[in-house]
Amino acid sequence: KQEVTQIPAALSVPEGENLVLNCSFTDSAIYNLQWFRQDPGKGLTSLLLIQSSQREQTSGRLNASLDKSSGRSTLYIAASQPGDSATYLCAVNRDDKIIFGKGTRLHILP
Amino acid sequence: EAQVTQNPRYLITVTGKKLTVTCSQNMNHEYMSWYRQDPGLGLRQIYYSMNVEVTDKGDVPEGYKVSRKEKRNFPLILESPSPNQTSLYFCASSTGRLSGANVLTFGAGSRLTVL
Repeated sequence: KQEVTQIPAALSVPEGENLVLNCSFTDSAIYNLQWFRQDPGKGLTSLLLIQSSQREQTSGRLNASLDKSSGRSTLYIAASQPGDSATYLCAVNRDDKIIFGKGTRLHILP
Repeated sequence: EAQVTQNPRYLITVTGKKLTVTCSQNMNHEYMSWYRQDPGLGLRQIYYSMNVEVTDKGDVPEGYKVSRKEKRNFPLILESPSPNQTSLYFCASSTGRLSGANVLTFGAGSRLTVL
């Protein structure tokens, strides 16, 4: 059964630093991996989607990489800002079922 | 504005009293799905639908029913709610199947408490 793990569960970093969030999954037979952001009391917003045939995707200050064979993905955030404070979730899907990690709660210190 | 709308946003009910959480999207999306989010357990998929009259179970379907009679609506039905169904529920939709690399758009969530 697919399991998705995100480490660390929580992270605090000073504003301006670059940071990396980690995601690992146990079954490499995935179609896609997505990274989401969730603000307190709100729904999820999709940040990046990487197809299984791709190695990375970039959007602004965000870069997500995928190493399917090793079951790992990273989300790199450059020049962090207080507005980046949120919970970040990764999710993988095979077919039309999707499995989420429990998220990393990120706090950017002003 | 393109969005997924859930109602109610907050609900307190009692054990055994049937309730329906509605979900509607205005983007002509084919794929719709329901999730519950619990502390320590994360976000888990309950049911999904790939099109009208096509539904399938996610990871935690027990105690829930769904229907997809129209493309835009995907209600979640709790026939006999129990306290362990107290949770934060999300509805989401996408243009097509998740296997086709389609991005999910989420609703704002419905917080349900069953006493």
